Amino acid sequence: DVKVTQSSRYLVKRTGEKVFLECVQDMDHENMFWYRQDPGLGLRLIYFSYDVKMKEKGDIPEGYSVSREKKERFSLILESASTNQTSMYLCASAPGGSNQPQHFGDGTRLSIL
Amino acid sequence: DQQVKQNSPSLSVQEGRISILNCDYTNSMFDYFLWYKKYPAEGPTFLISISSIKDKNEDGRFTVFLNKSAKHLSLHIVPSQPGDSAVYFCAASETGTASKLTFGTGTRLQVTL
Repeated sequence: DVKVTQSSRYLVKRTGEKVFLECVQDMDHENMFWYRQDPGLGLRLIYFSYDVKMKEKGDIPEGYSVSREKKERFSLILESASTNQTSMYLCASAPGGSNQPQHFGDGTRLSIL
Repeated sequence: DQQVKQNSPSLSVQEGRISILNCDYTNSMFDYFLWYKKYPAEGPTFLISISSIKDKNEDGRFTVFLNKSAKHLSLHIVPSQPGDSAVYFCAASETGTASKLTFGTGTRLQVTL
């Protein structure tokens, strides 16, 4: 079974802080993704990566950056947290190529005060 | 611009009956479609998928139907069980995009006794 592990289930940070969300997968997947989920808006893609050190912007990249130094680890960085970044953040991974289902972690509920 | 739409935010069905969840899409380049199920405080779980070369795919109690001309897909759950109560997300992807998914806003299914 694919295991995608997000480092924290709940996180509370202050406005202006730099925030790191970590995600690790154990299936040697090439592709990794970061989403945020908000009520009424579904899941929206922030960034994704199809290889180590490679990254692509998703639909809502503003205010975020990512890092993928190792194949199994994909980090989401909030450069200067703001209250409108309070959300549920979900990491996912998928094998290389197209038309493969993504496998999700359990999410990090992030509150910015 | 919502490329994948789930117009019913919620649905209530009696145990044992059929649940039908609907999804519409606008991007004619989408050629792979998936359904995910999400319980509160957990990540989405992959349920079933369908390629655009098919019009039906079955897996146990779950069947997905695809109508390409109408750009519409549906998920049928027969018979519905209380454990099926969750939020269901429809998602779509396009070949050559590293399994990048575009999600709908979700439908909350409640299966009552």
